[in-house]
Amino acid sequence: SYDLTQSLSVSVALGQTARISCGGNNIGNKNVHWYQQKPGQAPVLVIYRDTNRPSGIPERFSGSNSGNAATLTISRAQAGDEGDYYCQVWDSSTAVFGGGTKVTVL
Amino acid sequence: EVQLVESGGGLVQPGGSLRLSCAASGFSFSDAWLNWVRQAPGKGLEWVGRFKSISDGGTRDYAAPVKGRFTISRDDSKNMLYLQMNGLKTEDTAVYYCTTGTKTWGLDNWGQGTLVTVSS
Repeated sequence: SYDLTQSLSVSVALGQTARISCGGNNIGNKNVHWYQQKPGQAPVLVIYRDTNRPSGIPERFSGSNSGNAATLTISRAQAGDEGDYYCQVWDSSTAVFGGGTKVTVL
Repeated sequence: EVQLVESGGGLVQPGGSLRLSCAASGFSFSDAWLNWVRQAPGKGLEWVGRFKSISDGGTRDYAAPVKGRFTISRDDSKNMLYLQMNGLKTEDTAVYYCTTGTKTWGLDNWGQGTLVTVSS
């Protein structure tokens, strides 16, 4: 089975840039999707197919994917960006999620 | 506006069965690929399974931990998605989410979830 590795937590100062990594074997050859989940709420798709933002997601959210790591970047971090972030890929016909990264805005 | 509303969760004993439902509106249901994703208390997201649109073959795929115990079905005439869960185990305790989405577009719409608790 395919494994995705995410760091447990990331802290970022208000207004600064947070980078959340997602590691996987040759993940650069897969489409990576990212989800934001705030406490008590359902997840929300924030990046699809590596670099694309769904309608309504701020331009502060961006993504990249190459080699063995994909990255979600949150620029000019705001208090409302706090939450858990999950990367996800499809491995053949099954979906795989990373373990999630808790983002704290200081 | 896309809406997905899950129902049917509750408390069930180990070995028991439960059927979850997801009522959909606001999009072309028959063209949608539909998924179930679950989240155990305090844990991360875990994909449960998927039902492709009939026009794309209508195939169903399942995660290894639920294969053979869970069955996904859909009723395109009623815009409904179902998850039949048999042989429930304590480790199946989770909030279960209904989602739309494909390999290309990600899981783009989510319901609010329904809690399933498996306990004696």
